[in-house]
Amino acid sequence: EPEVTQTPSHQVTQMGQEVILRCVPISNHLYFYWYRQILGQKVEFLVSFYNNEISEKSEIFDDQFSVERPDGSNFTLKIRSTKLEDSAMYFCASSGTSGRIGELFFGEGSRLTVL
Amino acid sequence: QQPVQSPQAVILREGEDAVINCSSSKALYSVHWYRQKHGEAPVFLMILLKGGEQKGHEKISASFNEKKQQSSLYLTASQLSYSGTYFCGTVSGGGADGLTFGKGTHLIIQP
Repeated sequence: EPEVTQTPSHQVTQMGQEVILRCVPISNHLYFYWYRQILGQKVEFLVSFYNNEISEKSEIFDDQFSVERPDGSNFTLKIRSTKLEDSAMYFCASSGTSGRIGELFFGEGSRLTVL
Repeated sequence: QQPVQSPQAVILREGEDAVINCSSSKALYSVHWYRQKHGEAPVFLMILLKGGEQKGHEKISASFNEKKQQSSLYLTASQLSYSGTYFCGTVSGGGADGLTFGKGTHLIIQP
């Protein structure tokens, strides 16, 4: 069964460092998302990406964050100058249709720990 | 604004039923339900669209009252595998497609 894969599964970084989280969405999906979940809390929307551009972003997704689809398979989230409060599980998701009406397939997540 | 879920937690015996509610202060285009087990990714359960269309698993049922901006998820004859945290996610109008999730309802099924 096709699945969304994320790397790394866990990354520890020092405050102020840059981090890149990688995702390989399901191959025929066109809509891509990043969500994050601080330990024990709700899942929060960060950004959606379609047709090689950001289609929507939340208030959390400020200038510190960026997304890119550098080739036909990878979808990356870059966090510049990480802060302690960026520590969270970051989930990538993809969908064959817009998230407004379609099922999101989540990856297993990348746990980011900022020290 | 995030939807409000209730109850925050439920403990059931295997075979019992549960209802999880989700309400929003904003007009909704769609309501989505996901279940997350500890340490795992959220897994899709159901979508309810404005206008009455539903997509989801056969063993899960839900309702969507558009006027009241409320949705309920019905879990009948619960099984041990139903344990987890249930999140409702909402999409409002205006072309947005990012889900705004509630804080979740923790469901524990005991044998």
